[in-house]
Amino acid sequence: AQSVTQLDSHVSVSEGTPVLLRCNYSSSYSPSLFWYVQHPNKGLQLLLKYTSAATLVKGINGFEAEFKKSETSFHLTKPSAHMSDAAEYFCVVTHGSYIPTFGRGTSLIVHP
Amino acid sequence: NAGVTQTPKFRVLKTGQSMTLLCAQDMNHEYMYWYRQDPGMGLRLIHYSVGEGTTAKGEVPDGYNVSRLKKQNFLLGLESAAPSQTSVYFCASRATSGSSYNEQFFGPGTRLTVL
Repeated sequence: AQSVTQLDSHVSVSEGTPVLLRCNYSSSYSPSLFWYVQHPNKGLQLLLKYTSAATLVKGINGFEAEFKKSETSFHLTKPSAHMSDAAEYFCVVTHGSYIPTFGRGTSLIVHP
Repeated sequence: NAGVTQTPKFRVLKTGQSMTLLCAQDMNHEYMYWYRQDPGMGLRLIHYSVGEGTTAKGEVPDGYNVSRLKKQNFLLGLESAAPSQTSVYFCASRATSGSSYNEQFFGPGTRLTVL
């Protein structure tokens, strides 16, 4: 069985400050992990993915995430938030099963 | 390479009417999914398919039917629409090999309102 917990439903930051969106997972096997971003009234776009290669994964728009097996975490970070980063972010785990498991989402709010 | 497309983009129905949402992908993916997204609920899986001619129920299948007669198309049907089916519907396909292994590709969504 697999599950995903996004620890914050909302995260609020000021423009230019660091971003941290937290994701914990459980999986019986070595998982594939993904972060997707959804801007208002848009579809989901892949930010980055972990598929058992390097544990520090770099994605688009300056985002990165680190796979920590001992902590079963895959937190998303960005050194400096931009107004355009305001969106909904989803953490997803997949392993072998037909059905990916989605977190409930974290809404990132960026203040000027 | 269009990726995943959905038709229509918007639709308004009256209670009891029927409609079909079309999802098409041109990446030769085996797996396809239909989700609905409601405020505060994240994405919930309605039905999915792991290959042409096969479909299976997801988390919230009641009131919906699906068909996968061709590999590239996945249809979602509402036989008798209800206001509770007002939602944004997303289709996705998933790579099962190659550099995009396990990655899902999403369509732009269909915004459905049932009055």
